[in-house]
Amino acid sequence: DGGITQSPKYLFRKEGQNVTLSCEQNLNHDAMYWYRQDPGQGLRLIYYSQIVNDFQKGDIAEGYSVSREKKESFPLTVTSAQKNPTAFYLCASSTRDRAIGTEAFFGQGTRLTVV
Amino acid sequence: DAKTTQPPSMDCAEGRAANLPCNHSTISGNEYVYWYRQIHSQGPQYIIHGLKNNETNEMASLIITEDRKSSTLILPHATLRDTAVYYCIVRVYNQGGKLIFGQGTELSVKP
Repeated sequence: DGGITQSPKYLFRKEGQNVTLSCEQNLNHDAMYWYRQDPGQGLRLIYYSQIVNDFQKGDIAEGYSVSREKKESFPLTVTSAQKNPTAFYLCASSTRDRAIGTEAFFGQGTRLTVV
Repeated sequence: DAKTTQPPSMDCAEGRAANLPCNHSTISGNEYVYWYRQIHSQGPQYIIHGLKNNETNEMASLIITEDRKSSTLILPHATLRDTAVYYCIVRVYNQGGKLIFGQGTELSVKP
């Protein structure tokens, strides 16, 4: 079945450590997105990528980094510079912006807890 | 910043229609309105989207006003499983097609 997979579902890290969240899709989508969600809040955009080897900052990119070496994969690294990394992280993918009107599919999220 | 405004919460009786309003008064001509819902601790689920015509699918109907400044999502026969946070989103296609989320409406379907 086609879909978007995030792993792991739960992740614990010590403060000061970098951590990388995985996002893989087999939908042949060009565009991929990372969002962060805090308790009781909506989703906020961290980074997005429209094509391999290209990505843009979203609204809250500070303390995060991404790479897009393969079409299927868009990993997110939460660095030690991110002051409040504990959150629910969601990855999404869709066709490129020229394909107007198509929906974006979301993964099931990774809940990161930094202690 | 979010381009949509929704009431923070709504209640609906099971079996009745749930009508969820959304204001998007600054929407541009080529921007679509999307609706997603999120059940606690899960990824958002796509429901429906539209540009200016009303749309219907197996899950819901979307009614967009003629001036496109507001819309209503209709769940025709709400069930307990429809209890979720519903997000009305404007999709910005000149910025990579990103979805800009607001705070959403928490819909509680009651027996």
